[in-house]
Amino acid sequence: EPEVTQTPSHQVTQMGQEVILRCVPISNHLYFYWYRQILGQKVEFLVSFYNNEISEKSEIFDDQFSVERPDGSNFTLKIRSTKLEDSAMYFCASRPGLDTDTQYFGPGTRLTVL
Amino acid sequence: SQQGEEDPQALSIQEGENATMNCSYKTSINNLQWYRQNSGRGLVHLILIRSNEREKHSGRLRVTLDTSKKSSSLLITASRAADTASYFCATDAHTGGFKTIFGAGTRLFVKA
Repeated sequence: EPEVTQTPSHQVTQMGQEVILRCVPISNHLYFYWYRQILGQKVEFLVSFYNNEISEKSEIFDDQFSVERPDGSNFTLKIRSTKLEDSAMYFCASRPGLDTDTQYFGPGTRLTVL
Repeated sequence: SQQGEEDPQALSIQEGENATMNCSYKTSINNLQWYRQNSGRGLVHLILIRSNEREKHSGRLRVTLDTSKKSSSLLITASRAADTASYFCATDAHTGGFKTIFGAGTRLFVKA
């Protein structure tokens, strides 16, 4: 069964460094998402992406964040200058359609900012 | 409360009992989803119910949706120890773009 994959599984970085989190959505899906989950807290929506552009973003998704689908396969989340509070699990999800279709989540990348 | 708030926050039951979790939300929705998350792992989709549906079943899961009260419930019947996990509701709203908002979750512990 096809699945969403994410790399790396764990990323450790120094505060102020740039990180790129990578996701490979399921191939025939059209809608893509990034979420984050701070340890012990709820899953927070960051951004949704469709037709090669951002559809919606949350207030968390400020100028430090960007997303790209560079080659029709990968879907990346870049954090330009990481802060301590960016430490969290980051989940990518993809979806074939909207109203009746489920989201398929990747296993997540644990980002630790020191 | 925020969009997609569950109660109870934590629930502990014996194997074989039923578990009921509730979710409330604030804005209009297109659909509501329930997910499961084992500790430290990714999210697994359980069931999606559309705004024009009132009840849906999938195996031991039963979901209800009351759009007049902006609430949903997830019932797990004949629970098993393997059902121990966190359960989240999530709502889809088309607000120009599309976003999915998760609730805080219910931690379910099923004792063998």
